[in-house]
Amino acid sequence: GNSVTQMEGPVTLSEEAFLTINCTYTATGYPSLFWYVQYPGEGLQLLLKATKADDKGSNKGFEATYRKETTSFHLEKGSVQVSDSAVYFCALTNTGFQKLVFGTGTRLLVSP
Amino acid sequence: DGGITQSPKYLFRKEGQNVTLSCEQNLNHDAMYWYRQDPGQGLRLIYYSQIVNDFQKGDIAEGYSVSREKKESFPLTVTSAQKNPTAFYLCASSIAAYGANVLTFGAGSRLTVL
Repeated sequence: GNSVTQMEGPVTLSEEAFLTINCTYTATGYPSLFWYVQYPGEGLQLLLKATKADDKGSNKGFEATYRKETTSFHLEKGSVQVSDSAVYFCALTNTGFQKLVFGTGTRLLVSP
Repeated sequence: DGGITQSPKYLFRKEGQNVTLSCEQNLNHDAMYWYRQDPGQGLRLIYYSQIVNDFQKGDIAEGYSVSREKKESFPLTVTSAQKNPTAFYLCASSIAAYGANVLTFGAGSRLTVL
């Protein structure tokens, strides 16, 4: 079946540090991959997505590249801000019914 | 602005009571979903609806019920049969239930059983 594995959190960084949150997946066929972000007390919102191999999704300084050979979709940002503190979810959906399969989420804490 | 409205934001329930969580969208989306979020477990799909008057069970439907009488509305009832209902509930919608469509989420409802 389809599954997503994310690195355990929390990830604690100082402002302006480099961020990587690892995400690997298991899926048949050609899934689409997503990163969603959840700020405290809120629902999830899309951060970026990639729909085919070698695509790079980017938004608000965050990037992730769809790597089929390593089944990965790691999230990166060159310089984090305090306002980036949130929980980040990696997710996939496969062909057919769009059932989003989520990872367990990684909490990011950025200190000034 | 278009979006999804969930209510109430916080809800307390005594054991043995049914409660209904509201979800309304004005995005003209066909598909709607209910997810449950527990600490350290990500999100799990409870029910989904592809179109009005149709809905399907997700991975953890036991103890829950839904209806889809209007395109804009997809209420979730947490029944007394749900053994561990304390959780954060998220409603979402998308243009369609097939394809790599982006889900739009509501702000969530936190249910606590006393």
